Amino acid sequence: NAGVMQNPRHLVRRRGQEARLRCSPMKGHSHVYWYRQLPEEGLKFMVYLQKENIIDESGMPKERFSAEFPKEGPSILRIQQVVRGDSAAYFCASSPPGLAGINQPQHFGDGTRLSIL
Amino acid sequence: KQEVTQIPAALSVPEGENLVLNCSFTDSAIYNLQWFRQDPGKGLTSLLLIQSSQREQTSGRLNASLDKSSGRSTLYIAASQPGDSATYLCAGLNQAGTALIFGKGTTLSVSS
Repeated sequence: NAGVMQNPRHLVRRRGQEARLRCSPMKGHSHVYWYRQLPEEGLKFMVYLQKENIIDESGMPKERFSAEFPKEGPSILRIQQVVRGDSAAYFCASSPPGLAGINQPQHFGDGTRLSIL
Repeated sequence: KQEVTQIPAALSVPEGENLVLNCSFTDSAIYNLQWFRQDPGKGLTSLLLIQSSQREQTSGRLNASLDKSSGRSTLYIAASQPGDSATYLCAGLNQAGTALIFGKGTTLSVSS
């Protein structure tokens, strides 16, 4: 049973470009979470999605950031017009359906390291 | 607003020693508390999950306890090994049940 798959592992973008980060949850999982880890800081929650629905996006910046989890395919975290401050490790986690993370642990991928030149 | 604090930030011990990592949280209204391990450049590996109604969980040499009333959790590692060297993170699931709130972690180094 493959774990949470994130790609790419490393992504380099120039200021003003767009970054797309992909996350395939574990088999059978229908809940996806995105977290960001800035240098020297802890992980911060960004957004929680179920298939085709955003449940909680309270941690996501209001501008330039968006997330989706379509009926088919991986979840996508999209950052438009990237700036140097977006450089970070972005982690995706998933959990099974039902009561989501309340009774089940969240399982994390290896992350995407985003570097902005 | 939930805040999670981990003490100490770093810890170095010789192989074989038993050790305790501490985690405190400001809001006792958490659904569960999860301990993770993170190796450099890697993702997070879930170690133990303690539900809010539970007091502790055990897995091998690891034992985690939870005291909601005092806002504390501890991770006990018995007979530490060099392979235990990593950063250990604790995280509480928020009251809405939607997001993990993380501490900054304790970086453990076990020397042989």
